[in-house]
Amino acid sequence: KQEVTQIPAALSVPEGENLVLNCSFTDSAIYNLQWFRQDPGKGLTSLLLIQSSQREQTSGRLNASLDKSSGRSTLYIAASQPGDSATYLCAVTINAGGTSYGKLTFGQGTILTVHP
Amino acid sequence: EPEVTQTPSHQVTQMGQEVILRCVPISNHLYFYWYRQILGQKVEFLVSFYNNEISEKSEIFDDQFSVERPDGSNFTLKIRSTKLEDSAMYFCASSVQGVSSPLHFGNGTRLTVT
Repeated sequence: KQEVTQIPAALSVPEGENLVLNCSFTDSAIYNLQWFRQDPGKGLTSLLLIQSSQREQTSGRLNASLDKSSGRSTLYIAASQPGDSATYLCAVTINAGGTSYGKLTFGQGTILTVHP
Repeated sequence: EPEVTQTPSHQVTQMGQEVILRCVPISNHLYFYWYRQILGQKVEFLVSFYNNEISEKSEIFDDQFSVERPDGSNFTLKIRSTKLEDSAMYFCASSVQGVSSPLHFGNGTRLTVT
């Protein structure tokens, strides 16, 4: 059974710092991995999606890497801002013989606080 | 930007009652999902729906649960005879091409069973 773990559980940094969030998964046979952001009382917003054949994806100040063989992904946030404060979730989809409809397995999230 | 909308935002019901949670996915999306998050726990997959039928469901999604796409725009989750442990945030999501494309989530319905 796929298990997804995120460390740290919480992170508090001053504005301007570069930071790294970690995600690990137990079954390397994944179809892809997504990073989401969740604001309090809101839904999940997809930040980056990395297909299993890719090593990284970038969007603005965000960069996500994927090392499938070791079962790890990192989300790098450059020049953090108070508006980045949120819970960040990673989720993987298992490669079910090339057919995958949408069963994401989530980590428990990292609560990020960026203070001015 | 188009978004997934869910109603109501908060539903309070008594144990044993039936509830229907409603969702309007993004109009050109073909894949629909329900997830839930019990307070303090991970987001959990419930069910995926494609081409007017369930494509995958979790062990949580037992006979108490059902999904329906009654028309071209709505996607509903029905919980029959609610239990206290059904209290959670329920998220609807949709995507263009299953998980080959990003999932777009609604803001959720907080279900409280008393």
